[in-house]
Amino acid sequence: EDKVVQSPLSLVVHEGDTVTLNCSYEVTNFRSLLWYKQEKKAPTFLFMLTSSGIEKKSGRLSSILDKKELSSILNITATQTGDSAIYLCAVRGSDLGTGNQFYFGTGTSLTVIP
Amino acid sequence: GAVVSQHPSRVICKSGTSVKIECRSLDFQATTMFWYRQFPKQSLMLMATSNEGSKATYEQGVEKDKFLINHASLTLSTLTVTSAHPEDSSFYICSARDPIGGFYGYTFGSGTRLTVV
Repeated sequence: EDKVVQSPLSLVVHEGDTVTLNCSYEVTNFRSLLWYKQEKKAPTFLFMLTSSGIEKKSGRLSSILDKKELSSILNITATQTGDSAIYLCAVRGSDLGTGNQFYFGTGTSLTVIP
Repeated sequence: GAVVSQHPSRVICKSGTSVKIECRSLDFQATTMFWYRQFPKQSLMLMATSNEGSKATYEQGVEKDKFLINHASLTLSTLTVTSAHPEDSSFYICSARDPIGGFYGYTFGSGTRLTVV
């Protein structure tokens, strides 16, 4: 059964800490892995990863995919209270008959304390 | 943990017909469920907030007569795409707020790929 598992489920850190969020997957015909940040109305897209070992970076956030280990990590350095949110991992698989399919993890709830 | 089941995972329909998508919370009661649509560049747009026993709250620009939402029980919300057109083809995802998870306790369904031909 295709699935995406995120860990930890929740995390509380102090401002300035560095955090690492994990996403592992078992998805048929993997095509890409996506990270989102959920704060209010809808998840905000952060990164899409398709190739193993290539780090994607945006400010204090970075992410990398390991296709051999079927996993990805999302790093946040020098955390700020505004980083408090749920971070979602989604994996796009492919069914040759009907096209793309997404599988979402349950998210990691990050709380950054001042 | 909380599980949200979305059905069907894929559907192909003819232009002009209606399609119903179900979103069920399997092991918790969800007074609030959310419906999203995926757009190019991976962005997810919130379409509406579904409240059990009352009318859904639609986001600006979403046609409520076209995207009918019903939240008849604490574990089921449905999205019906009426008179579907090819431009409605997209990926639709629901989520439910797990009360145990607190403010951030959203659980997502696996999504529905709608193709209108």
